[in-house]
Amino acid sequence: SAVISQKPSRDICQRGTSLTIQCQVDSQVTMMFWYRQQPGQSLTLIATANQGSEATYESGFVIDKFPISRPNLTFSTLTVSNLSPEDSSIYLCSVDRGQGYEQYFGPGTRLTVT
Amino acid sequence: QKEVEQNSGPLSVPEGAIASLNCTYSDRGSQSFFWYRQYSGKSPELIMSIYSNGDKEDGRFTAQLNKASQYVSLLIRDSQPSDSATYLCAVNRIQGAQKLVFGQGTRLTINP
Repeated sequence: SAVISQKPSRDICQRGTSLTIQCQVDSQVTMMFWYRQQPGQSLTLIATANQGSEATYESGFVIDKFPISRPNLTFSTLTVSNLSPEDSSIYLCSVDRGQGYEQYFGPGTRLTVT
Repeated sequence: QKEVEQNSGPLSVPEGAIASLNCTYSDRGSQSFFWYRQYSGKSPELIMSIYSNGDKEDGRFTAQLNKASQYVSLLIRDSQPSDSATYLCAVNRIQGAQKLVFGQGTRLTINP
C-alpha cells in the first residue's frame, strides 16, 4: 500500500474563492488521481495527474475550474476555483501502485462552500 | 446502463451470518476488479482485488468473479458489527488504462 496525506483535512470557504488541496505520498508513484465524492454519492474521477505532463481530465471537468499540478513523483495539488455551494464535497487523491491497477486513497478533504 | 452497478441497499445482516454483496459491470473487456470498504466519514480502503474467474479468499472475505456473466461479488463470512460500512465495487476501464470506475456502493449493516 502507500502512506498518503492530504492537506487541509477540511475547510469552509466562501463562494467565489478558491481552495488548493495538497496530496503527499511516502514514495514515488507514476499515477496520481483526484476524485470527488458528493454527499451520499460514490466516487467520480476528476483527473489523472502524471509527473511532467498535463493532467488528463474526465468529461465534465475542466482545467480552468480544477487546475492540477504534479511537480514531482510524490506530490500533487488540486485547486477548486471560483467556488460555489455545488462544489461542497469530499475531494480525494489516490495513487496507483502499478500492480493490477490497485489504487490507494488519501484521507480526503472535506470542503464546504458557504 | 451504468458502467458499474450495485444494489445501494441498505443490506442488513445478523451478526455471524454471511453478507453477500453483488456488482455487475458493462465493459466486457474489463480485467481488474476491486472491493473497497468505506466507513462513514473515512476514505475508501482496498480490501480485495480479483483478476481471474473464480474465487479468491482472504480471511473472512471471498471475492468471486464471473467474466462471462460480467458479475463480481464479495462474501463476508462470520459478519461482525465492525463490518458495517459502505462497500464500493470498482472496475478498471480499458480505454485509458489505470482508471477505475466505481459503483454507487452498498451500505451494509451488521446487527448484533
